[in-house]
Amino acid sequence: GQNIDQPTEMTATEGAIVQINCTYQTSGFNGLFWYQQHAGEAPTFLSYNVLDGLEEKGRFSSFLSRSKGYSYLLLKELQMKDSASYLCATMIKAAGNKLTFGGGTRVLVKP
Amino acid sequence: KAGVTQTPRYLIKTRGQQVTLSCSPISGHRSVSWYQQTPGQGLQFLFEYFSETQRNKGNFPGRFSGRQFSNSRSEMNVSTLELGDSALYLCASSFKTSGRTDTQYFGPGTRLTVL
Repeated sequence: GQNIDQPTEMTATEGAIVQINCTYQTSGFNGLFWYQQHAGEAPTFLSYNVLDGLEEKGRFSSFLSRSKGYSYLLLKELQMKDSASYLCATMIKAAGNKLTFGGGTRVLVKP
Repeated sequence: KAGVTQTPRYLIKTRGQQVTLSCSPISGHRSVSWYQQTPGQGLQFLFEYFSETQRNKGNFPGRFSGRQFSNSRSEMNVSTLELGDSALYLCASSFKTSGRTDTQYFGPGTRLTVL
């Protein structure tokens, strides 16, 4: 299967930068997604990477290294509203639209 | 454009009962996937429907089933409910073009509690 590992919890200060790492098995890899999920709410799409490199979208950036089976989500200029769980998910070619999720990283932003 | 909608939002059932959850995808989206989210197991894939056909199935017992209608709306059914079925059930839709990876957009979920 697609074992996906990401840290359980991270704490950072408002205005700072936090990097959430995600590692996955590379066999059949067909794309990696990051979602944000606030407590009690649905996951919302943040980014998608399928090629190596950095994708920047405002305060959020996502990086992918296919050969290393590694991605990170970078959150800059942290705001209190960024306190949420961040979910790394992969898609593999043989599994159609199925997303396999990591356990999620809970980020707590402190004033 | 309206997002993915799910009904009902909350549901309380007792063991042994059955339940049907509904999902309306974003207009124009043809693929609907269902996921179960629990504190212990996280988000797990149940199944995917596209053009009224189940294309993929996760590792869940046969008590979990689903279907998709011609207007792309989807339902999932859980029969003979067990306590462990208590979870947030999320539906996600995507446009799904052939050969492309499409982003899935999630609905607000149905919170099922089994007593």
